[in-house]
Amino acid sequence: DAKTTQPNSMESNEEEPVHLPCNHSTISGTDYIHWYRQLPSQGPEYVIHGLTSNVNNRMASLAIAEDRKSSTLILHRATLRDAAVYYCILRLGWGTNAGKSTFGDGTTLTVKP
Amino acid sequence: SQTIHQWPATLVQPVGSPLSLECTVEGTSNPNLYWYRQAAGRGLQLLFYSVGIGQISSEVPQNLSASRPQDRQFILSSKKLLLSDSGFYLCAWSAKTVANYGYTFGSGTRLTVV
Repeated sequence: DAKTTQPNSMESNEEEPVHLPCNHSTISGTDYIHWYRQLPSQGPEYVIHGLTSNVNNRMASLAIAEDRKSSTLILHRATLRDAAVYYCILRLGWGTNAGKSTFGDGTTLTVKP
Repeated sequence: SQTIHQWPATLVQPVGSPLSLECTVEGTSNPNLYWYRQAAGRGLQLLFYSVGIGQISSEVPQNLSASRPQDRQFILSSKKLLLSDSGFYLCAWSAKTVANYGYTFGSGTRLTVV
């Protein structure tokens, strides 16, 4: 399975933008880039996903490099409730293994008031 | 709307005892279903993956097994628990169309084997 690499931790100040990077140099053409976040003792929550183009939703923006070997999750104004572990994963888009993913250890985001 | 139910929330079991964790999905049909395990402070490890009734793919050799007796029911079992089976177990579902849908996770079961 293609894997992703993320920094172990990042810090941000409240109400400032946060850019969470993810490297996925072995991504294949049919892999979708997904981002999830997990609060303590809860299941991960879907944030955003994309294939080639940048994506925006009410929670965040996803910027995908032109060669698709990296991506960045952008939280436009961090709040204390955004403090969580953020996972960048690749999901196989086609074939018998479609939908399967490997989660790494993610990035622990700390938001300071 | 779709919902996923997972129970129990916490479980303490002695070594050598059996295990049964159940997960059910509502509001959708023919979902892909997944069991993940998470060690403390670590990412999620995919244990089992199912695309349909009776179709189970095991991702790692282990002391656990999974079954899907109904379309929206996924069960994780063990005949004899080991200390190493302790962890946070998460059930998830996704639609078959990866392009438009992500995972939806249950609230998890924290299993402690003593």
